Amino acid sequence: GQQVMQIPQYQHVQEGEDFTTYCNSSTTLSNIQWYKQRPGGHPVFLIQLVKSGEVKKQKRLTFQFGEAKKNSSLHITATQTTDVGTYFCAGIRSGLTGANNLFFGTGTRLTVIP
Amino acid sequence: NAGVTQTPKFQVLKTGQSMTLQCAQDMNHEYMSWYRQDPGMGLRLIHYSVGAGITDQGEVPNGYNVSRSTTEDFPLRLLSAAPSQTSVYFCASRKIRQDVGTQYFGPGTRLLVL
Repeated sequence: GQQVMQIPQYQHVQEGEDFTTYCNSSTTLSNIQWYKQRPGGHPVFLIQLVKSGEVKKQKRLTFQFGEAKKNSSLHITATQTTDVGTYFCAGIRSGLTGANNLFFGTGTRLTVIP
Repeated sequence: NAGVTQTPKFQVLKTGQSMTLQCAQDMNHEYMSWYRQDPGMGLRLIHYSVGAGITDQGEVPNGYNVSRSTTEDFPLRLLSAAPSQTSVYFCASRKIRQDVGTQYFGPGTRLLVL
């Protein structure tokens, strides 16, 4: 079945350094979403990418969707301690009832050292 | 709006016991789902529903039952708890849209099966 691989699994950065996490799918994705989960918290929606080659920015966060719609990346510029958490990508898979279900990558846990 | 609520927050069970994890949303979302989160494995879909009376299995449905009698509620039942079901369980909901859109997660239930 479809799988979404995410790398790296862990990343430790000094505050102020940049950070990037990558998401790769074995099949073409219709959409991809990104979520952030703070330690002890629940996943929170960040963004959805739909178009091939799409790039979206949210302040210091830049999201890209690959031209072939099989990969995506999240880049954070000048990390801050508030960026700490696990970042997940999620692709779309259709279920038997026709619903679009999200299937998640394994996540990248970001630690920011002050 | 309270969003997505889950009860209980924590639960300890003995092997073989049964229990129901409650999930409710007040956003009139058609789609509701249950995920489990285990270290290094991301979030895996257990069951989902696209409306009252309609449910379907996700990636890891064995040992769990669901029902959807109302739009608001989507309980998850563990029939006979096993240590392998020790996990953090998240309920999520969203509107059904062609482009999927934002999925909202509850705060989670942390379950320990001894």
